[in-house]
Amino acid sequence: GQQLNQSPQSMFIQEGEDVSMNCTSSSIFNTWLWYKQDPGEGPVLLIALYKAGELTSNGRLTAQFGITRKDSFLNISASIPSDVGIYFCAGQSSGGSNYKLTFGKGTLLTVNP
Amino acid sequence: DADVTQTPRNRITKTGKRIMLECSQTKGHDRMYWYRQDPGLGLRLIYYSFDVKDINKGEISDGYSVSRQAQAKFSLSLESAIPNQTALYFCATSDPGQVVEKLFFGSGTQLSVL
Repeated sequence: GQQLNQSPQSMFIQEGEDVSMNCTSSSIFNTWLWYKQDPGEGPVLLIALYKAGELTSNGRLTAQFGITRKDSFLNISASIPSDVGIYFCAGQSSGGSNYKLTFGKGTLLTVNP
Repeated sequence: DADVTQTPRNRITKTGKRIMLECSQTKGHDRMYWYRQDPGLGLRLIYYSFDVKDINKGEISDGYSVSRQAQAKFSLSLESAIPNQTALYFCATSDPGQVVEKLFFGSGTQLSVL
């Protein structure tokens, strides 16, 4: 099946630093999604990207849908302690009745105050 | 109250036991899913259901079964639990009418099989 390579696996940063993470795939996706999982909770959708080249922001978060449709990037600016958690990318290859959502393995982010 | 509720939140069981994890939702979504999360492996799909009469296997369905009792209820069963089924299990729902199929997750059930 389709696989997503998400990197880095983990990051330890100081409060105020910027963060970058990415996902790559050998397959093309129609939609890229970024989720965040807070400790002890389920993942929550942060950003959805619908077309190649799209750049979308949500507060301090910015995500991009790669031109080749095989990759996506998430940046967090000026990190704060509540940014701690696991960030997952997910790619969707088609919608409707042909459900196909593939998750990356996650990036564990630790922010030191 | 949570939109997607999973019970129990934590469960410890022994090898060979049958257990059921339950999920209920108040979002009115037709689509429901069961995922498993293991450290370093991300989220893997076990089963999904697009409506009450529809059940589909995911990528890791062996050793699991599901029941969609109603639009709002979707349970996951382990007929004979084994230690490598120790994991964090998530139920999720989605609305196919949206532009992007946004998943809403429950808070998870931590299962330990001894």
